[in-house]
Amino acid sequence: ETGVTQTPRHLVMGMTNKKSLKCEQHLGHNAMYWYKQSAKKPLELMFVYNFKEQTENNSVPSRFSPECPNSSHLFLHLHTLQPEDSALYLCASSPIGMGESSNQPQHFGDGTRLSIL
Amino acid sequence: AQSVTQLGSHVSVSEGALVLLRCNYSSSVPPYLFWYVQYPNQGLQLLLKYTTGATLVKGINGFEAEFKKSETSFHLTKPSAHMSDAAEYFCAVSDGGATNKLIFGTGTLLAVQP
Repeated sequence: ETGVTQTPRHLVMGMTNKKSLKCEQHLGHNAMYWYKQSAKKPLELMFVYNFKEQTENNSVPSRFSPECPNSSHLFLHLHTLQPEDSALYLCASSPIGMGESSNQPQHFGDGTRLSIL
Repeated sequence: AQSVTQLGSHVSVSEGALVLLRCNYSSSVPPYLFWYVQYPNQGLQLLLKYTTGATLVKGINGFEAEFKKSETSFHLTKPSAHMSDAAEYFCAVSDGGATNKLIFGTGTLLAVQP
């Protein structure tokens, strides 16, 4: 059990569909992250949320729309995706704040494998 | 800016042999360093971390890593490989900043031959 749960585990969608990825963490962390993992490329940080506020957006196309209603839940809304968006999308959480929090590792979910037809 | 270089995208060892996975980093501030492992169809699991203090860090599953500032390295080792160690391994660096952001290497796929 990782403490970070992602659903669905697999998703196949057409380029015109709209779908959402969900992430939930039970670790009491205040920061949550979305990463994209493509074959033969480093993990790409997409978004960072701290206490529900977005603190980083790494030039992600607008067809990816994140939502963080509270510190335990994170969504990634998808629409009009392209074939190159097929990848494993990983969610992570960590504590952020003063002192020792900056030393703490991120905890990852098992990811959603997304395939765009 | 920080960066991580993992030498060798694929490493193959025999069961019982030494495992050595290389990681070099670049950082303008004292780094926090991490090794993660990813098994097929799973997320990343923390193996070990270096923050401050002792430069030899022990992690789970018999792995350890040594922080060498002079060489800007944080290589991962295990004295004797087991079949269950076959996975992809990622080195990451953080500056401990406000977002606790991690910069990952491209990963090393470890194969263990019987």
